[in-house]
Amino acid sequence: GENVEQHPSTLSVQEGDSAVIKCTYSDSASNYFPWYKQELGKGPQLIIDIRSNVGEKKDQRIAVTLNKTAKHFSLHITETQPEDSAVYFCAASPVSGSARQLTFGSGTQLTVLP
Amino acid sequence: GAGVSQTPSNKVTEKGKYVELRCDPISGHTALYWYRQSLGQGPEFLIYFQGTGAADDSGLPNDRFFAVRPEGSVSTLKIQRTERGDSAVYLCASSLAGKTEAFFGQGTRLTVV
Repeated sequence: GENVEQHPSTLSVQEGDSAVIKCTYSDSASNYFPWYKQELGKGPQLIIDIRSNVGEKKDQRIAVTLNKTAKHFSLHITETQPEDSAVYFCAASPVSGSARQLTFGSGTQLTVLP
Repeated sequence: GAGVSQTPSNKVTEKGKYVELRCDPISGHTALYWYRQSLGQGPEFLIYFQGTGAADDSGLPNDRFFAVRPEGSVSTLKIQRTERGDSAVYLCASSLAGKTEAFFGQGTRLTVV
């Protein structure tokens, strides 16, 4: 089955700096790669996603890049703010158009220091 | 409703007991998913419903776990003969058919003592 590795497990940045979280996956059949933000006591919230036919996607301060050849994808957050502090999860799925069979990474605890 | 609602928010049960966890999806969402999240880990897929039928139950760990969605809305995850290893947060999510954005509930924290 799919295996998703996520690094780093914890990340602290100064407010206004950029944060980068990296993930690798093992199953070449995976073609959908979402990123979720999870705040304490809440369920994960989808913040951005990318499909395998796209190399990069941006949404305001958030961007995701995908390298299918190397089987890795990354989340970039620019101009970080304290409210960006949360646990971020990457995920991969072989099922496009659905949130089923998502394999999640182990998460990155992001702390933005004011 | 405004979001996915899961009840109870916390459940403590004794080893060997039976538990039911409830999920009320967003109104109109035909797709419903159950995931399980252990402490410090990402969620793990359990089962997916499209309407009333379990379209994919490949993530259920064993036959002690079962889920139903009889009317295509509310779903119940049932765990028989609970074990301490079943302790986790059980997350439910729903989405419109064919849409990738799934909205998660806040989860039910199950503790088996």
